[in-house]
Amino acid sequence: AQKITQTQPGMFVQEKEAVTLDCTYDTSDQSYGLFWYKQPSSGEMIFLIYQGSYDEQNATEGRYSLNFQKARKSANLVISASQLGDSAMYFCAMRVGWTGRRALTFGSGTRLQVQP
Amino acid sequence: EAGVTQFPSHSVIEKGQTVTLRCDPISGHDNLYWYRRVMGKEIKFLLHFVKESKQDESGMPNNRFLAERTGGTYSTLKVQPAELEDSGVYFCASSQVSGVHGELFFGEGSRLTVL
Repeated sequence: AQKITQTQPGMFVQEKEAVTLDCTYDTSDQSYGLFWYKQPSSGEMIFLIYQGSYDEQNATEGRYSLNFQKARKSANLVISASQLGDSAMYFCAMRVGWTGRRALTFGSGTRLQVQP
Repeated sequence: EAGVTQFPSHSVIEKGQTVTLRCDPISGHDNLYWYRRVMGKEIKFLLHFVKESKQDESGMPNNRFLAERTGGTYSTLKVQPAELEDSGVYFCASSQVSGVHGELFFGEGSRLTVL
């Protein structure tokens, strides 16, 4: 079975500073993908970034980067230069396998509040 | 291109009543997923359609939940009869089979409140 753990129910960060949201995962499969989604107050789930288990380099997407430490089974999200619009729930998720035929396993989420 | 749409956005019903949630996936997406988030807890997988077939329904909590996907297009999730513990936000997501990493596109969710 797969499991995602997000140990930070809430985080605060000052505008323009960087913040790291923690995520650890557990799976016995060698092939898997890790995702981060953002859920603003409006409710929609917005895909942010993806890391494949065989990717050698950490994924980056604009201000988002994923600090992937395979041996520690962690996939922390780093948001640089935080903006007020970054305030939202952030979910870490994992899928075993490579295709779209498998469901995601989610963590419980971290609520990020960016302060001016 | 239209995203994943869900209806209703919010439904308030009494215990014992029936509610049907609808999801329209992105056109061309064979994979359709239902997830649920109960207040303060993680988002839990309910089931997965590939076209009109149920690929995996291991997350369905009990037989009060019935999901269908007519003709491999839109999907409905019916809760009958609803119980208090069914309250939460029900998310629908879709993806292409051959996506680079199978990214899921989510709808805005349907919030269900059972009184």
